[in-house]
Amino acid sequence: NAGVMQNPRHLVRRRGQEARLRCSPMKGHSHVYWYRQLPEEGLKFMVYLQKENIIDESGMPKERFSAEFPKEGPSILRIQQVVRGDSAAYFCASSQARIDSNQPQHFGDGTRLSIL
Amino acid sequence: AQKITQTQPGMFVQEKEAVTLDCTYDTSDQSYGLFWYKQPSSGEMIFLIYQGSYDEQNATEGRYSLNFQKARKSANLVISASQLGDSAMYFCAMREYSSASKIIFGSGTRLSIRP
Repeated sequence: NAGVMQNPRHLVRRRGQEARLRCSPMKGHSHVYWYRQLPEEGLKFMVYLQKENIIDESGMPKERFSAEFPKEGPSILRIQQVVRGDSAAYFCASSQARIDSNQPQHFGDGTRLSIL
Repeated sequence: AQKITQTQPGMFVQEKEAVTLDCTYDTSDQSYGLFWYKQPSSGEMIFLIYQGSYDEQNATEGRYSLNFQKARKSANLVISASQLGDSAMYFCAMREYSSASKIIFGSGTRLSIRP
């Protein structure tokens, strides 16, 4: 059973470019969560999506960031016009349903985004 | 107010000794879950142990145990017989029933095991 798959593992972009981060959930999972980890900090929740729906985007910056989880294919976190402050590790987790509080979220290995 | 507080930015422990990593939390929910994750230098997040707010027994998973003191709102992680491979960042985290969509993480403790 493959776990949560994220790619690329490392992504380098210049300021002003676009970054696209992909997350394929575990098989049978239709709920996806994105988190951001700045250096030397814990993970911060960004957005929670079900197939074709954004459920909770309370942690997403208001500008330049968007996320989608289409009916077919991986979830995409998109960052437009990247700035140096976007440099971070971005983690994805998935679940089968809206999980109860006793269910851990299993994470992918993350994408390390570096902005030059 | 911080939801999850880890007051030890870094710790050094001698190999084979036990170590306790502190975690306190703040919530008004009656139902919540507490988690510990390990993040080695390679960067992945590894789930270690879970404690539910209604669980009466402290959770244990191999060498990991969670010292859950509900009245004090603390959920310390105890690692027995530490090994060199335990050197990593450790994050305490919580999910509240009222916002089951997200996990809230503490700032982490960097644990270094000395040979």
